[in-house]
Amino acid sequence: NAGVTQTPKFQVLKTGQSMTLQCAQDMNHNSMYWYRQDPGMGLRLIYYSASEGTTDKGEVPNGYNVSRLNKREFSLRLESAAPSQTSVYFCASSEAETSPTNEQFFGPGTRLTVL
Amino acid sequence: ILNVEQSPQSLHVQEGDSTNFTCSFPSSNFYALHWYRWETAKSPEALFVMTLNGDEKKKGRISATLNTKEGYSYLYIKGSQPEDSATYLCASRSTDSWGKLQFGAGTQVVVTP
Repeated sequence: NAGVTQTPKFQVLKTGQSMTLQCAQDMNHNSMYWYRQDPGMGLRLIYYSASEGTTDKGEVPNGYNVSRLNKREFSLRLESAAPSQTSVYFCASSEAETSPTNEQFFGPGTRLTVL
Repeated sequence: ILNVEQSPQSLHVQEGDSTNFTCSFPSSNFYALHWYRWETAKSPEALFVMTLNGDEKKKGRISATLNTKEGYSYLYIKGSQPEDSATYLCASRSTDSWGKLQFGAGTQVVVTP
C-alpha cells in the first residue's frame, strides 16, 4: 500500500498562475482533507470531503477550490496563485469523519512557492 | 488565535533525560484529542487518540495523559533518544465539528547525544 500520495512534491508559480495539487489514497477511506502548514501556525484545514460526492470548507478556504473526483482522489486547485499561498500543503485521509478515533493519514506534502 | 495551544514551542533534551510538554484545548464539546509525531521532511504520523477523561496511552517510551475537564494533555518521553527528535503535534476534535482536527502549532523536540 502506498498510503496517501501527493503530486507534485515541489512547485514554483508566478502570481496569477493556476495549478492543481493531486492527492490519492489506496486505503479505501471515506474522508479526505487538505491542509496548509505555515511556520508557527500549525496545520490549518483548507477543505475536506467527508465522503465521495461531498466537500466542505475548512478554516482557510479562500483562494482554493477542491474536487473529490472519486473515492480515491481529492484535488486542490489554486485558480490565481498569490504570494500568501506560499506554503506546504498536506493531503490526509481517514476511514470516516465520525469514527471515534478518526486517525488521519498524511501524504508527503507539496512545497509551493508563489513569486 | 489558535484554540489549541502547545507549550513550550521547542525544547532541547539531553539523551537519556525524560521530558514532557503540554497541549491545551477547549474543554467544551470535547470529542477526541490526537497526538502526532512529525519528523522533518516526512509526514505527520499518528501516535495516540484519546477520548475519555483520565485516558492514558503508551507506545514504547512515549506516553500521554488526558484531562478533558480542564482541557489539557501531557505527552511524556522517557529516556529520550536522538530518534525522538521531531515536532509533536496535538489536535482536538469537538462534537460540533466531528471530522475536523484543530491543530496546535507543535512542540519541537531536539535530543542531543
